[in-house]
Amino acid sequence: DADVTQTPRNRITKTGKRIMLECSQTKGHDRMYWYRQDPGLGLRLIYYSFDVKDINKGEISDGYSVSRQAQAKFSLSLESAIPNQTALYFCATRAGDGDTGELFFGEGSRLTVL
Amino acid sequence: GQNIDQPTEMTATEGAIVQINCTYQTSGFNGLFWYQQHAGEAPTFLSYNVLDGLEEKGRFSSFLSRSKGYSYLLLKELQMKDSASYLCAAMDSNYQLIWGAGTKLIIKP
Repeated sequence: DADVTQTPRNRITKTGKRIMLECSQTKGHDRMYWYRQDPGLGLRLIYYSFDVKDINKGEISDGYSVSRQAQAKFSLSLESAIPNQTALYFCATRAGDGDTGELFFGEGSRLTVL
Repeated sequence: GQNIDQPTEMTATEGAIVQINCTYQTSGFNGLFWYQQHAGEAPTFLSYNVLDGLEEKGRFSSFLSRSKGYSYLLLKELQMKDSASYLCAAMDSNYQLIWGAGTKLIIKP
């Protein structure tokens, strides 16, 4: 089994629908991240969390919300999906106590908003 | 602003050597990462450089020049399985990663 698991792996939805992407990890890392990846663009940070009580906005948080239900679980929600949120979404965890450890990524959730 | 530049696509021959360049501009600097991403898969960590110089790890090496805002990833003895995108990411003073769009490396027999 993967250390960082994302569900669903693929989702097609319609404009205005609420969508939740879930991430769980078995690595025991405190730091978790949500990124989106679009063709021709670098990964962009949506939200990140250093522990259950610490949630921070990334560079593109508008239109998204997150919930850190437990150390191992970090969910991303789109309250009212729009077509430009069509992208590949990655959850990641960071190794180590500091800020420069490597990131471990989930397998990605491909979201299409029609 | 903060920016990462790397070539969009490169082609190389199996068994050869290829160098993928990355230039960065960030507010402060806390290191440079390289990740490999096969099509449809998650990125996986290759290297981290924070000091100037060359770090070698098997067939892959990564170089950093902080004064020039420049890094490269060197892949030797290329194999078909090295066909992937290579992502460069610089960490700024707030420990946030600024990602390049990735370099798609195509390996030909």
